[in-house]
Amino acid sequence: QKEVEQDPGPLSVPEGAIVSLNCTYSNSAFQYFMWYRQYSRKGPELLMYTYSSGNKEDGRFTAQVDKSSKYISLFIRDSQPSDSATYLCAMSAESSARQLTFGSGTQLTVLP
Amino acid sequence: DVKVTQSSRYLVKRTGEKVFLECVQDMDHENMFWYRQDPGLGLRLIYFSYDVKMKEKGDIPEGYSVSREKKERFSLILESASTNQTSMYLCASSWFVGDEQYFGPGTRLTVT
Repeated sequence: QKEVEQDPGPLSVPEGAIVSLNCTYSNSAFQYFMWYRQYSRKGPELLMYTYSSGNKEDGRFTAQVDKSSKYISLFIRDSQPSDSATYLCAMSAESSARQLTFGSGTQLTVLP
Repeated sequence: DVKVTQSSRYLVKRTGEKVFLECVQDMDHENMFWYRQDPGLGLRLIYFSYDVKMKEKGDIPEGYSVSREKKERFSLILESASTNQTSMYLCASSWFVGDEQYFGPGTRLTVT
């Protein structure tokens, strides 16, 4: 079993839809949770960063962490064609020093 | 703005060749990383470095070595390239423990 599981998709939604992207994990020591967005032929870029449990909102994006269920989500409101990309979750524990563990990514297409 | 640059966007090499991939970051980050990204497998850590001349193996170090002679530069070396090393190679850097990583644009390496 992988330490971080992420549905690879692909996921196709119409413009304006609410998108929900999810990851589950098995390591209860994970404390830092991130979402990266990766456009085709580019490197990943950080979208959201949260520490421990709770919600964080940034514009149309909301990140949720539920440590009791070992489950994290990224919600995209009013999705746009420019949101079409692969979304990667990543997480780390304090004890793992400098390493992040990544999900395999979900490919999202927002249709105009 | 943090910038991570990689020496080549696309590279084609023959089996058995020695291959050098270079990465440079301009933010004085302590930590630097090399990943490979393959469909369905996500990002896998090859090696990372937390200081000049220091290195640690990641999850898949076999067939690779690294060099960090200067803080800003981290090189990945394929001593004898093989076809199963055909992949997208991503370099990243970060400040602190569990911190966000900044990625370069990637090098798509094809070994024939």
